[in-house]
Amino acid sequence: AAGVIQSPRHLIKEKRETATLKCYPIPRHDTVYWYQQGPGQDPQFLISFYEKMQSDKGSIPDRFSAQQFSDYHSELNMSSLELGDSALYFCATGLAGVRAHEQFFGPGTRLTVL
Amino acid sequence: AQSVSQHNHHVILSEAASLELGCNYSYGGTVNLFWYVQYPGQHLQLLLKYFSGDPLVKGIKGFEAEFIKSKFSFNLRKPSVQWSDTAEYFCAVDSGGGADGLTFGKGTHLIIQP
Repeated sequence: AAGVIQSPRHLIKEKRETATLKCYPIPRHDTVYWYQQGPGQDPQFLISFYEKMQSDKGSIPDRFSAQQFSDYHSELNMSSLELGDSALYFCATGLAGVRAHEQFFGPGTRLTVL
Repeated sequence: AQSVSQHNHHVILSEAASLELGCNYSYGGTVNLFWYVQYPGQHLQLLLKYFSGDPLVKGIKGFEAEFIKSKFSFNLRKPSVQWSDTAEYFCAVDSGGGADGLTFGKGTHLIIQP
């Protein structure tokens, strides 16, 4: 079965640079969630989108922004990167409705900020 | 705001031992409850979920969990663990909204010794 696709899988950036992470949902999924998992930490919810509209907002820094496009893929844009932004960034997708609350996670993008 | 507490951060068991991982949540309203597993270097995989109905839910790989509303608990169990169960286990909750993000516990690192 098709899974959530994230790109790139690994990304190395310098401080103060920008980064864009992409997430391609499972076909027919219309909801996208972004999470940040620091080393040895639990995943922290950043933001979610349903039908291209922001749905819920968690601990996303003001330096980050995200959007969902007409084909339901999503991009997380990160600016003025800091060392503390080094983490694994997961995207999860779901299908609103009967199974609204089940989220399927992608493999993650490992971001390293030097 | 909701929170999730996992009682054991590190658990070491021998193969064939029984497992119980504790999870308590704090949220007075309707919740959906999840257990995710994260094998080393991999993404989060759903073990089981509780939305409503029978409070004893069965998941993949022989895991089960019991929702006890009066205790705000959702403990994970497995009668006989295997070496391949070595992983990080996360309890998570959402508030039942359409596209709400998950709140995770800090995780339990389970090591199964052969």
